Amino acid sequence: GAVVSQHPSRVICKSGTSVKIECRSLDFQATTMFWYRQFPKQSLMLMATSNEGSKATYEQGVEKDKFLINHASLTLSTLTVTSAHPEDSSFYICSARTGYEQFFGPGTRLTVL
Amino acid sequence: KQEVTQIPAALSVPEGENLVLNCSFTDSAIYNLQWFRQDPGKGLTSLLLIQSSQREQTSGRLNASLDKSSGRSTLYIAASQPGDSATYLCAVFRASNTGKLIFGQGTTLQVKP
Repeated sequence: GAVVSQHPSRVICKSGTSVKIECRSLDFQATTMFWYRQFPKQSLMLMATSNEGSKATYEQGVEKDKFLINHASLTLSTLTVTSAHPEDSSFYICSARTGYEQFFGPGTRLTVL
Repeated sequence: KQEVTQIPAALSVPEGENLVLNCSFTDSAIYNLQWFRQDPGKGLTSLLLIQSSQREQTSGRLNASLDKSSGRSTLYIAASQPGDSATYLCAVFRASNTGKLIFGQGTTLQVKP
């Protein structure tokens, strides 16, 4: 199947700093990418949908100024958590769609101290 | 609003048993349904994708069925192994301009040696 990578896999930062997470589709072009957040023992919560070259669509309750998404090319989307706080600590997973099938990245564990 | 439910939430079986995981959805107007596997602290691995026009899909020891009219899907795992221990998620996709995957809460499977 298609491969999606994420970088970094794990990041620890101080409160107030910004963190950027990259998501790449390695062997296909993704017109649409998705960012999810997952809390322990819970299912995935969709944060936003991003289409190449256009603004991301955020789900209700997700602060777009806090979670900046850029989808600059058909193989790269980035999520920047701005002014991170401990409550932003979570597991972030990206996904890329090709056709009507979605493939997921390995996730990024963010810990904000 | 589409809702996806997975039963049971957790399952523990001895090695070698055949088992069935259940997924139900409230809106039968789906384009496809995917079953995923998630290991602790990892991303999602796509196991099987069933188009709405299909009744089942098979991959190795896995068989997924779909009854769209009744809003149900099952994932059958034959001859379970300890390496099958993971959380299994089903998700439905409704094709639209804002098509999103709607996830169930998952079934956490433990296969004991």
